[in-house]
Parts: sequence; structure tokens; C-alpha cells
Amino acid sequence: QSALTQPASVSGSPGQSITISCTGTSGDVGFYNYVSWYQQHPDKAPKLMLYDVTKRPSGVSNRFSGSKSGNTASLTISGLQAEDEADYYCSSYTISSTVIFGGGTKVTVL
Amino acid sequence: QVQLQLSGPGLVKPSQTLSLTCAISGDSVSSNTAAWNWIRQSPSRGLEWLGRTYYRSRWHHEYAESVKSRTIISPDTSKNQFSLQLNSVSPEDTAIYYCARDIDAGCDYWGQGTLVTVSS
Repeated sequence: QSALTQPASVSGSPGQSITISCTGTSGDVGFYNYVSWYQQHPDKAPKLMLYDVTKRPSGVSNRFSGSKSGNTASLTISGLQAEDEADYYCSSYTISSTVIFGGGTKVTVL
Repeated sequence: QVQLQLSGPGLVKPSQTLSLTCAISGDSVSSNTAAWNWIRQSPSRGLEWLGRTYYRSRWHHEYAESVKSRTIISPDTSKNQFSLQLNSVSPEDTAIYYCARDIDAGCDYWGQGTLVTVSS
């Protein structure tokens, strides 16, 4: 099963908003509202930022928000901060009862 | 506070079996709401979900198609841990391996990650 498609990189200036897309198929992103987003800093384990497309775990800033349309999910970071510079991965549950990840997006704060 | 402590060898020879264990504290491997996952990460393959085990009246096991034929994930209720067994490894299995808990299809707690190198 192919990985979800994410842009390799996205950049923005402090205070700006950026959006990362995550495109799958009707058998994963398009079928379930089980899309999660993870933030990963170098040499650290991934950190859950959003689950079930739009839900934020306790402690995650409300600057992070999610949405979905058809087979594409999106993560928006508003009020971009230096600490947001990291790699971001989406994941989705699939109709085959498996989980797939996206290839990752490197966010650079200019 | 949930903690996951990963253990296992950092070096495995080609064709042999990779075995890792994830000890759970702050939750139960038999939880009716959590699932227990193995995920790996390498520069060439990115993040790759390997499989998970969970208990909902009975034990369930789900595996990625790419490793299904050579993978076993099993719970150990007596030690409150779960393990990964990956058979017939090759250098392509070299990666950082993570264990993680998921609730509502999001992995909220992760082990520290361990680098496993497949080399003779």
C-alpha cells in the first residue's frame, strides 16, 4: 500500500499560517475520519498533534488545526513560531485494518 | 502517566530474527480502549507502521502487508508488555523501532525508540 502524499517542504515566516496537505485514497483518508498528525523534532520520537482529523490532545496548542475534504486531509499551523520547525507526518487508518503514514513534510520557519 | 520502555538487541544478523519488547507502565496491555503498536523509521522508508495488538473481548492482531508474512506481535499479560518478532531480516530492516499506544487512532505515547542494525 502506497504512503500518503505530503509535500516535501513548507516554509513560512513567524506569525504566518501554513497548511500541509495529506492526500490518500477512498480506502483510507477518504473513508475514515481517522487521520492523525505528528510532529517530530530531530532525534525525538514523533508527538501526536491531532487525531480524528480535528481533535487536539491535551497540551497541544490551538494554533494547530485540522480538516479534511474528500481524500485529502490538511494540517494548519497558525501564528507560526520558531519551535514549530520540525518534520510533520500524517497517518490514516485504512479499510484493510492497517495504518499508513505520509512521507513527511519539513517545516521551516524563515 | 503512561510510559513505554523498549528493550532488545541493537544488532541482528541477516536472515535471523529481530526481537523487541515494550514494557508498559501506567496502563494495561489488556486495556479495552488502547491498542499497542510497533512502528519503525528509516531514511529510505520514512515512518512505517508494522502492526498492533489489542484486546476487545478477545485478542486482535493487525499487520502491515509489507511485513505480515514474517511478523508476530504478541502481548504478555503477566509482565504487562508486548513484543515484536520480525523473521528473516535483511539490511532493509535496519531502522529505529518504536512502540506506541494508540487510542482513537492516534498514537499518544511512544517508547524512546531503538536503532536496530541488520548486518553481519
